[in-house]
Amino acid sequence: EVQLEESGGGLVKPGGSLRLSCAASGFNFSNAWMSWVRQAPGKGLEWVGRIRSKTSGGAADYGAPVKGRLTISRDESKNMLHLEMNSLKIEDTAVYYCTTDGLVVPHTFDFWGHGTLVTVSS
Amino acid sequence: DIVMIQSPDSLAVSLGERATINCKSSQSVLSSSDNQNYLGWYQQKSGQPPKLLIYWASTRESGVPDRFSGSGSGTDFTLTISSLQAEDVAVYYCQQYYDFLQRTFGQGTRVEIK
Repeated sequence: EVQLEESGGGLVKPGGSLRLSCAASGFNFSNAWMSWVRQAPGKGLEWVGRIRSKTSGGAADYGAPVKGRLTISRDESKNMLHLEMNSLKIEDTAVYYCTTDGLVVPHTFDFWGHGTLVTVSS
Repeated sequence: DIVMIQSPDSLAVSLGERATINCKSSQSVLSSSDNQNYLGWYQQKSGQPPKLLIYWASTRESGVPDRFSGSGSGTDFTLTISSLQAEDVAVYYCQQYYDFLQRTFGQGTRVEIK
């Protein structure tokens, strides 16, 4: 069974930093592309970014609103996905979901974690 | 970026009746290389993460009831719930994956029981 469990959310001041993690199990993490999707309170879904599998080069792509401030990385030895968030803005307040990216169904966010809440406030 | 616009923003339907949600993309998401529409639909129930319902615009994900169907091509798409059940109360999102570098969602449509 595919399982994704996010952690690391919390309250941070504007301009601050935070590191989110996602523990993956139940599938071959090394071969999986992974994405982060976020949802501001009461709002819709926004794709944050994606990291390719190591076998596909391991590069990351980012959505325009977060480019240059957020960094996605992965640790194959621990089956962990990370999202490093810097220069946080109030508008980064959201639930951040870890998702598989085309694990079974090409190009889709086919499995989701339950999310971790990041609140940016002074 | 490809902009996805859904209509309506919300709708209330009686149990057993049909619910129809529309999604329009700012440019075609039909690929000429494989003749597939790079369009998916997700369902998000209150307090839960989204769940993939339909991909390639009309293919149901495994385990999704057949009362859910997707249709459309190019820039105009529809999600239909043929006979609304209580457990279908949720927000539904369309999402394009044609733009490999910038995935975008519609704003969501809330479905409620009338």
